[in-house]
Amino acid sequence: QSVLTQPPSASGTPGQRVTISCSGSSSNIGSSAVNWYQQLPGTAPKLLIHTNNQRPSGVPDRFSGSKSGTSASLAITGLLSEDEADYYCVAWDDSLNGPVFGGGTKLTVL
Amino acid sequence: EVQLVESGGGLVQPGGSLRLSCAASGFSLSSYWMNWVRQAPGKGLVWVSRIKDDGTGTIYTDSVKGRFTISRDNASNTLYLQMNSLRADDTAVYYCARGGLGSWSEFDVWGQGTMVTVSS
Repeated sequence: QSVLTQPPSASGTPGQRVTISCSGSSSNIGSSAVNWYQQLPGTAPKLLIHTNNQRPSGVPDRFSGSKSGTSASLAITGLLSEDEADYYCVAWDDSLNGPVFGGGTKLTVL
Repeated sequence: EVQLVESGGGLVQPGGSLRLSCAASGFSLSSYWMNWVRQAPGKGLVWVSRIKDDGTGTIYTDSVKGRFTISRDNASNTLYLQMNSLRADDTAVYYCARGGLGSWSEFDVWGQGTMVTVSS
């Protein structure tokens, strides 16, 4: 199992708001920035949120990130069918001396 | 256009070796730390290795230590991953990813990936 814990699945209808959680510990999320990646079916991952809550250029403001203590969340508002993808959180882990990913959350737009 | 293109994947027998390459374009490789990340079929992302911008420092995930070697040639803008003593559980798509500037788990540019299959 992954060091960071994400729900395996999430779903919502178009226009809804969905959140995806990412739980860790003091050695990773508690002491490091969290980044989020979106992986559309059959494609490479793409940086979605960096440094907890920063959007790279070109990422719609429907996507937002937050972090509190040893947990982080990704929120998507105004859900679109094109948001159907796998989402991964990642943070540096001081104990393992490397980045650790969550197991990924498959988002389904109903 | 900033781009990473991996090559070198394929089918290899258990115990065999393979060398992956990642050609960078649109930016100078020498300015960035670089990483390899893999994804087994139907599974999640796993970070594999990282190399410092000047090649002087490398780190690996425990499962590949002593078997994989990351290296780079900044003159040719190319990143490498030498994989030895390959095992079935090394089967995955291997992505090269550029280290971002915000944190050590930020990968801001990804290649399209190259598939490595370890099987007899």
